[in-house]
Amino acid sequence: GAGVSQTPSNKVTEKGKYVELRCDPISGHTALYWYRQSLGQGPEFLIYFQGTGAADDSGLPNDRFFAVRPEGSVSTLKIQRTERGDSAVYLCASSTTGNTEAFFGQGTRLTVV
Amino acid sequence: GNSVTQMEGPVTLSEEAFLTINCTYTATGYPSLFWYVQYPGEGLQLLLKATKADDKGSNKGFEATYRKETTSFHLEKGSVQVSDSAVYFCALSEDAGNMLTFGGGTRLMVKP
Repeated sequence: GAGVSQTPSNKVTEKGKYVELRCDPISGHTALYWYRQSLGQGPEFLIYFQGTGAADDSGLPNDRFFAVRPEGSVSTLKIQRTERGDSAVYLCASSTTGNTEAFFGQGTRLTVV
Repeated sequence: GNSVTQMEGPVTLSEEAFLTINCTYTATGYPSLFWYVQYPGEGLQLLLKATKADDKGSNKGFEATYRKETTSFHLEKGSVQVSDSAVYFCALSEDAGNMLTFGGGTRLMVKP
């Protein structure tokens, strides 16, 4: 596609439920990043993939959060036992390598009620 | 650890006014510095960047100079337009993974 695509654009879920957020990066981009942006704040790094492997997952807040990228393209961010504090916009970005400009998707707004 | 601090908004200006949005950073090494912009309803876009001390990044009339001595990367524009209304984020990247550390964002509102 022309840009980074994230689905769904909005997700409302009940506390305690499991959610999956999808990111479709720009074709050919080997690096993929997930960030979380809470209301009124800047994005915070969650995890970075280079190809299929997670090169840096130091930003994942706890073990309820997990991300995969099995074929080195599409990535899924998975959140178990969601909490109201998980409510935020989840941003995905991709770049051709780890050292070039990252292009961002429009994000998935997650609301946990 | 790394951190970025930028002036809180909103910043409200009249069209053609001069803009400065302050940004300072803390880093253990020699980071690259960025300004990203988020227009209403759109994703984050890279506005400009500088990769070493004294470099000046520029784009769309915006400029920012990497000042190592003051650990700053202030964003400036000589004459703002209504279409510049957006949220601006200062950010740094220190490692090869290009992971970005963002400031809290500054909302700019330009009135005709």
